[in-house]
Amino acid sequence: KQEVTQIPAALSVPEGENLVLNCSFTDSAIYNLQWFRQDPGKGLTSLLLIQSSQREQTSGRLNASLDKSSGRSTLYIAASQPGDSATYLCAASGAGSYQLTFGKGTKLSVIP
Amino acid sequence: SQTIHQWPATLVQPVGSPLSLECTVEGTSNPNLYWYRQAAGRGLQLLFYSVGIGQISSEVPQNLSASRPQDRQFILSSKKLLLSDSGFYLCAWSVHETGELFFGEGSRLTVL
Repeated sequence: KQEVTQIPAALSVPEGENLVLNCSFTDSAIYNLQWFRQDPGKGLTSLLLIQSSQREQTSGRLNASLDKSSGRSTLYIAASQPGDSATYLCAASGAGSYQLTFGKGTKLSVIP
Repeated sequence: SQTIHQWPATLVQPVGSPLSLECTVEGTSNPNLYWYRQAAGRGLQLLFYSVGIGQISSEVPQNLSASRPQDRQFILSSKKLLLSDSGFYLCAWSVHETGELFFGEGSRLTVL
């Protein structure tokens, strides 16, 4: 059964700093890994999807990488802004299924 | 483009009352549909998923049930709510080819 861990649970950085959020998973035979953003009281917004054949995906200031052999993914946010403050969740599929298992998220605060 | 609608956004119900949360998806056909619950301090828990009309799989035995009466409609129900049913309920759909998951805005249920 896939297990997903995100450390730290919370992170506070000054505006303009580049930062990395970490995600680890136990089953390396994944189909895909997806990063989401969740604002308080809202649903999840898909940020990036990395399929098993890919090593990274980029969208604007965001870059997500996938290393299946080590069971790790990172989300890199460049030049952070206060509007980036949110909880970021990582989710990975397990072997033989697209169904995603979620981590508990990292709550990011970007201080102006 | 595809959109997902979920309602009601907020619901306060007494213990023992029934529940019905509804979700519809537009702009796609035969989507995989999901109901998740997010409780405070815990990760997203998959409750039900459906790959087609009338096809429901339950991930966690509990006081809830799901139905899919139409291709793009997914309903979460309970005959008698418990205090432990309180939480944030999220409907989602996924792209068949990639498994990418998209969420609705969520329904906040408080059982008193």
